[in-house]
Amino acid sequence: QKEVEQNSGPLSVPEGAIASLNCTYSDRGSQSFFWYRQYSGKSPELKMFIYSNGDKEDGRFTAQLNKASQYVSLLIRDSQPSDSATYLCAVKSLIGSNYKLTFGKGTLLTVNP
Amino acid sequence: DGGITQSPKYLFRKEGQNVTLSCEQNLNHDAMYWYRQDPGQGLRLIYYSQIVNDFQKGDIAEGYSVSREKKESFPLTVTSAQKNPTAFYLCASSLTGKYTEAFFGQGTRLTVV
Repeated sequence: QKEVEQNSGPLSVPEGAIASLNCTYSDRGSQSFFWYRQYSGKSPELKMFIYSNGDKEDGRFTAQLNKASQYVSLLIRDSQPSDSATYLCAVKSLIGSNYKLTFGKGTLLTVNP
Repeated sequence: DGGITQSPKYLFRKEGQNVTLSCEQNLNHDAMYWYRQDPGQGLRLIYYSQIVNDFQKGDIAEGYSVSREKKESFPLTVTSAQKNPTAFYLCASSLTGKYTEAFFGQGTRLTVV
């Protein structure tokens, strides 16, 4: 079982729609969860982070965490063409005395004008 | 400006040669990471380090080596034992701790010719 799994893409939505990106993780002891956005040929940039169960909102973006289900999601409301990118889910876990940051394969999102 | 600098941006290597990728940060971060990204794939962890003179193997460490002699620097050597080294390599750093985000350098694109 892969440590961090993301729903298979690519995902295509029309402009103004809601895009839903999902991620599951295997280590129940994982402690923090991140969504990075990566444009083609560029390095990833942090978009959202969440540590506690529930929702966290930042403008059009909402991160959701359910530790019991080992599930993290990112919702993008009123999607814009500029949101088109690969979204990477990352999970930080304590391994011994070190923090390991593990990424999923990413979901390519295309927002069509 | 504070940040993470990777060099070179593009690197060509002949088969059988070792090459070293540079990663330097002036963010005063203790933790540093190396990832590999293949086309259409997420980030796979090669090595990570939380403190000077200590580092841990990630998920795909075979064929790679690292050193952490200084807090600011975490060079990655791709050895001839790495069978398929052509990829995009990303270095990241963060403060230690479970709630800290990672910042990425601009990446090095390595091609074996």
